[in-house]
Amino acid sequence: GENVEQHPSTLSVQEGDSAVIKCTYSDSASNYFPWYKQELGKRPQLIIDIRSNVGEKKDQRIAVTLNKTAKHFSLHITETQPEDSAVYFCAASNWVGGSARQLTFGSGTQLTVLP
Amino acid sequence: DTGVSQDPRHKITKRGQNVTFRCDPISEHNRLYWYRQTLGQGPEFLTYFQNEAQLEKSRLLSDRFSAERPKGSFSTLEIQRTEQGDSAMYLCASSPADRATYEQYFGPGTRLTVT
Repeated sequence: GENVEQHPSTLSVQEGDSAVIKCTYSDSASNYFPWYKQELGKRPQLIIDIRSNVGEKKDQRIAVTLNKTAKHFSLHITETQPEDSAVYFCAASNWVGGSARQLTFGSGTQLTVLP
Repeated sequence: DTGVSQDPRHKITKRGQNVTFRCDPISEHNRLYWYRQTLGQGPEFLTYFQNEAQLEKSRLLSDRFSAERPKGSFSTLEIQRTEQGDSAMYLCASSPADRATYEQYFGPGTRLTVT
């Protein structure tokens, strides 16, 4: 089955700096890669996702890059703000012919943005 | 609130007791997932329904676990003869039938504590 590794496990940055979180996956058939943000005691919420037919996607201060050859993808947050502090999870899934599949999650990164 | 809802939000039970959790997906979402999340880890897939059919089950889902979605709407997850290792957050997620939409929307979770 799929295995997703995520690092670093903790990341502290100064407000206004950039943060980068990296994930690798094992199953070359995986074609969907979402990132979820989970604040303490709250549900995971999707912040950005990418499909395997593109190499990069950006949404305001958040971007995701995908390298299918190396089987890794990264989350980039620019101009970080204190409200970005949370646990971030990457995930991978294999969608085939419209058939939904499970998400395999990384172990999470605790991001702390210091004011 | 039109999001995914779960009930109860918290459950404390003694070892050996049975517990049942309920998940109400977003209206008209035909795909429903159950995940388990332990402290400091990402969610782990348990099982998946498309309408009322249970299409995938994880090896994590032992014989003590059973899930149903009898009318293709809400779902229940039952754990029989609970063990301390069952203590975790149980998350439900749903996804629409639209083949172009891959996002899974998570509920707030049910936190189970087995004493």
